[in-house]
Amino acid sequence: NAGVMQNPRHLVRRRGQEARLRCSPMKGHSHVYWYRQLPEEGLKFMVYLQKENIIDESGMPKERFSAEFPKEGPSILRIQQVVRGDSAAYFCASSPADHSGQYFGAGTRLSVL
Amino acid sequence: EDQVTQSPEALRLQEGESSSLNCSYTVSGLRGLFWYRQDPGKGPEFLFTLYSAGEEKEKERLKATLTKKESFLHITAPKPEDSATYLCAVRLVSGSEKLVFGKGTKLTVNP
Repeated sequence: NAGVMQNPRHLVRRRGQEARLRCSPMKGHSHVYWYRQLPEEGLKFMVYLQKENIIDESGMPKERFSAEFPKEGPSILRIQQVVRGDSAAYFCASSPADHSGQYFGAGTRLSVL
Repeated sequence: EDQVTQSPEALRLQEGESSSLNCSYTVSGLRGLFWYRQDPGKGPEFLFTLYSAGEEKEKERLKATLTKKESFLHITAPKPEDSATYLCAVRLVSGSEKLVFGKGTKLTVNP
């Protein structure tokens, strides 16, 4: 019974490069959420997706960030032209249809040099 | 503005010394309060969801309770393996299914 799978676990990028973070939800879950955690800060909501739809992107920066959850395959969080301030842990969560809980993956730790 | 505040920021206990963690919230409308445990370098692990004042849930040495303004996570006779950061989050009536998190309480249980 695999949980939420995220890859890569660690990602190093130089300023100006692109970062792609992947998330496969738990089996049977069709709701995916992305959160960002900065050192000494709490988890901050970024975006909520269902298959092929963005439901709420109110926490995602307007520039350089995008997310998708295609009909087939994992959800992708894409950060273009990364800057040092993008360095953080990015967590994906999924939930069942009744939203009784959000189950998190192990995260991707992005370091921007 | 919707806010979730956890206290204390850090707590040190001796093994077997029971205590409580607090999560207070100021939100326009609550549609669920969630407790998570997070170990260093890992993702949050789901513990409980509480929906209405007066509700309680238990799991091993942990018990979560909810009032109209706050939630408590009671830890009975803790063990060193209970050491972790405990996160509280709320889901609002307004808006989508997103969670608003507090900054957490870092619990250390000494043997």
